[in-house]
Amino acid sequence: NAGVMQNPRHLVRRRGQEARLRCSPMKGHSHVYWYRQLPEEGLKFMVYLQKENIIDESGMPKERFSAEFPKEGPSILRIQQVVRGDSAAYFCASSPQGGGRDEQYFGPGTRLTVT
Amino acid sequence: KNEVEQSPQNLTAQEGEFITINCSYSVGISALHWLQQHPGGGIVSLFMLSSGKKKHGRLIATINIQEKHSSLHITASHPRDSAVYICAVARGGADGLTFGKGTHLIIQP
Repeated sequence: NAGVMQNPRHLVRRRGQEARLRCSPMKGHSHVYWYRQLPEEGLKFMVYLQKENIIDESGMPKERFSAEFPKEGPSILRIQQVVRGDSAAYFCASSPQGGGRDEQYFGPGTRLTVT
Repeated sequence: KNEVEQSPQNLTAQEGEFITINCSYSVGISALHWLQQHPGGGIVSLFMLSSGKKKHGRLIATINIQEKHSSLHITASHPRDSAVYICAVARGGADGLTFGKGTHLIIQP
């Protein structure tokens, strides 16, 4: 059973470009979480999605960031018009049922560098 | 004040020592997680607790719900245990985790 997959592992974008980060949850998991880890800072929750639904986006910046988890295919975190402050490691995690008492399985992360 | 506080922030110990990392939280939770992150690496879930104590190999995690406190212990520490250990809580009513800042552990041979 493959773990949580994220790609790309490393992404370099120039200021103003778009970044698309992909996350494929573990087989059988329908709950996906995105977290961001800024340099020298702790992890922060961004968004929680189930298939085709955004459940909680309270941690998402109000502008330029969006997330989706379509019926088919991976979850996508999209950052438009990237700025240097977006440089960070972005992790996704998946769980089978959600609800807070569920163990979350983390992907290897995508390291985004904005030049 | 952060909702999840860890101590110590940094810890250096000799191989074989018994290690304790502490986590205190100030919000209601449905579960507490201990995670491990190696430098430049991914995140591994070590434990998820809602009460009592769990043990896996040389790792032991305990939680006291009344005192809002958890500890992670490593027995017979080894250099390969060197990593950042992160405490995270799942708050009742919310599903995303809230994280502590992590404890940087170095085990010297």
